[in-house]
Amino acid sequence: SQQGEEDPQALSIQEGENATMNCSYKTSINNLQWYRQNSGRGLVHLILIRSNEREKHSGRLRVTLDTSKKSSSLLITASRAADTASYFCASRPSNQFYFGTGTSLTVIP
Amino acid sequence: DTAVSQTPKYLVTQMGNDKSIKCEQNLGHDTMYWYKQDSKKFLKIMFSYNNKELIINETVPNRFSPKSPDKAHLNLHINSLELGDSAVYFCASSHSEGLLGYTFGSGTRLTVV
Repeated sequence: SQQGEEDPQALSIQEGENATMNCSYKTSINNLQWYRQNSGRGLVHLILIRSNEREKHSGRLRVTLDTSKKSSSLLITASRAADTASYFCASRPSNQFYFGTGTSLTVIP
Repeated sequence: DTAVSQTPKYLVTQMGNDKSIKCEQNLGHDTMYWYKQDSKKFLKIMFSYNNKELIINETVPNRFSPKSPDKAHLNLHINSLELGDSAVYFCASSHSEGLLGYTFGSGTRLTVV
């Protein structure tokens, strides 16, 4: 069964605004990763957060992890048109990563 | 240099045919994967190979057979193609458990008519 689900399914914002995407997962995990997929392309790894970490930053990206709620969020600050893509979380309960269905982000110039 | 390359990029074929998708990585990774992405963008793991050895084989019809001649290659052969096999197939690779992330190919869009 599907391990992770992203919310919302689609998000449309103006350039310069912040975008927040959420991910919920079902079972305990060792770590969680976020990926970006541009249209017609493969997924690109963005950031990994371990189960003993609560927050992690990478450039304009901020990821949080709440293991008690089995959820994670990805915040993109000061969004740009080039951030338009689908964003996936991938959680790892055992020996592989399970992906959700993604959040489709559109940043309007 | 392309890190994970898969060919072909597009594949249109008739029901009942047999087809193969090839994947190669030049990253020195020891684990390779095949994922299927459906029309709703859901990504489902199909197979995982570590050092040419099958370690994950999810519930996939036995019409799908992966072949790993060496740890840099993982090919996917599909027999007797069905309409429901239409999807985008992604190859990926990683070091061992993938804790540094997976590197994905750009996908093969398979259309069965």
